[in-house]
Amino acid sequence: QVQLAQSGGGVVQPGGSLTLSCAASGFTFKNYAIHWVRQAPGKGLEWVAIISYDEAIKYYSDDVKGRFTISKDNSKNTVYLQMNSLRADDTGVYYCVRDWAPGGYDFLSWFDFWGQGTLVTVSS
Amino acid sequence: DVVMTQSPPSLAVTLGQPASISCTSSQSLVHTDGYTYVNWFHQRPGQSPRRLIYKVSKRDSGVPDRFSGSGSGTNFTLRITRVEAEDVGFYYCMQGSHWPPWTFGQGTRVEF
Repeated sequence: QVQLAQSGGGVVQPGGSLTLSCAASGFTFKNYAIHWVRQAPGKGLEWVAIISYDEAIKYYSDDVKGRFTISKDNSKNTVYLQMNSLRADDTGVYYCVRDWAPGGYDFLSWFDFWGQGTLVTVSS
Repeated sequence: DVVMTQSPPSLAVTLGQPASISCTSSQSLVHTDGYTYVNWFHQRPGQSPRRLIYKVSKRDSGVPDRFSGSGSGTNFTLRITRVEAEDVGFYYCMQGSHWPPWTFGQGTRVEF
């Protein structure tokens, strides 16, 4: 069955860095795009970033552009989110989510499978 | 960016009675390929969101048929024909027609 197993959350000081991981199983990972979506405490869902199946295409929300970097290692079936210059308002649960683009880069917005989420707390 | 506006923010429901949630987009969500990419998700406290509906009205495998999605253009609705206890939680609409960014509604809390 499709699984996205997340790791790497924790507590970090403002201005610090953290890397989240999302390990996939149960499907042909190299053919799929992956999003990161976050949820601040008690708030709604916010899209953060996406990476295409081959890493050729990466998009970021305006809020994280220049601070976060998404990457994909198809040999390890894993997606990463490197987060730098973290701020208090980056605090929340981060989810990795599957998507698909049959032609390569025209994403179908599937969001069909979600990781379990990992908590990032930015606090001094 | 497309703004998704959900209503109501909170919905008190009765077991066995119908319920509906609306989602309005700031622009038409018809994609250049002719499809409309609107998803609905259900999230229980402490859990990851679960997709219920995709492409406006297609129900995911394992989703009870009491859930249905409808709409077109800028107006979309999620309906529950007969609410059950397990349906409590938060519901979110999301547009995937005009990206980036992908955008979500603010959420609707469903409770008894």
